[in-house]
Amino acid sequence: AQSVTQLDSQVPVFEEAPVELRCNYSSSVSVYLFWYVQYPNQGLQLLLKYLSGSTLVESINGFEAEFNKSQTSFHLRKPSVHISDTAEYFCAVTSFSGGYNKLIFGAGTRLAVHP
Amino acid sequence: GAVVSQHPSRVICKSGTSVKIECRSLDFQATTMFWYRQFPKQSLMLMATSNEGSKATYEQGVEKDKFLINHASLTLSTLTVTSAHPEDSSFYICSARKDGNYGYTFGSGTRLTVV
Repeated sequence: AQSVTQLDSQVPVFEEAPVELRCNYSSSVSVYLFWYVQYPNQGLQLLLKYLSGSTLVESINGFEAEFNKSQTSFHLRKPSVHISDTAEYFCAVTSFSGGYNKLIFGAGTRLAVHP
Repeated sequence: GAVVSQHPSRVICKSGTSVKIECRSLDFQATTMFWYRQFPKQSLMLMATSNEGSKATYEQGVEKDKFLINHASLTLSTLTVTSAHPEDSSFYICSARKDGNYGYTFGSGTRLTVV
């Protein structure tokens, strides 16, 4: 079975400061990892994903995440946040192995950016 | 890009009635669709996975007779909450995926309130 742990339920940060949202996973097979963002009363939007290749992946709005197999982590970072980044962020994992394609989510991290 | 339309966005129903939620993939054929439930300030919990033309696979603890899922075509899946009760009030989100594609596209969610 696979699982995802997001250690921080809430992360408060000031505008233009850097931020890191932590994500650790557990799996016995090769994984594919995702970060999604959710604004109030809306669905999920894909921020970025790791499937293979370069372990550092980037999004178009300045976020990046690095896949670290030895530490089973996929932390999300942004060097300078904006007020508009305030949202709920979910880390998710799947394996695409043996017909398995469920996407399993972490508990989420609430990023609150203050002026 | 891939788009998934989910309707209705909000619904209020009386206790004991049934409610149907639709999830449509607009520009791709969704081999697999997923239904999630999200309680306030919590993560997404997978309820069931459905493949076109076959019966849905429900997660442990999800009542099959209460949450009826139909995936009759490659572009449409429906979730029917039968004999709804106040404890079924929640945010329901669908997700669609095409075989061979590593992406999951989410609908915008349905806020169900049972009174």
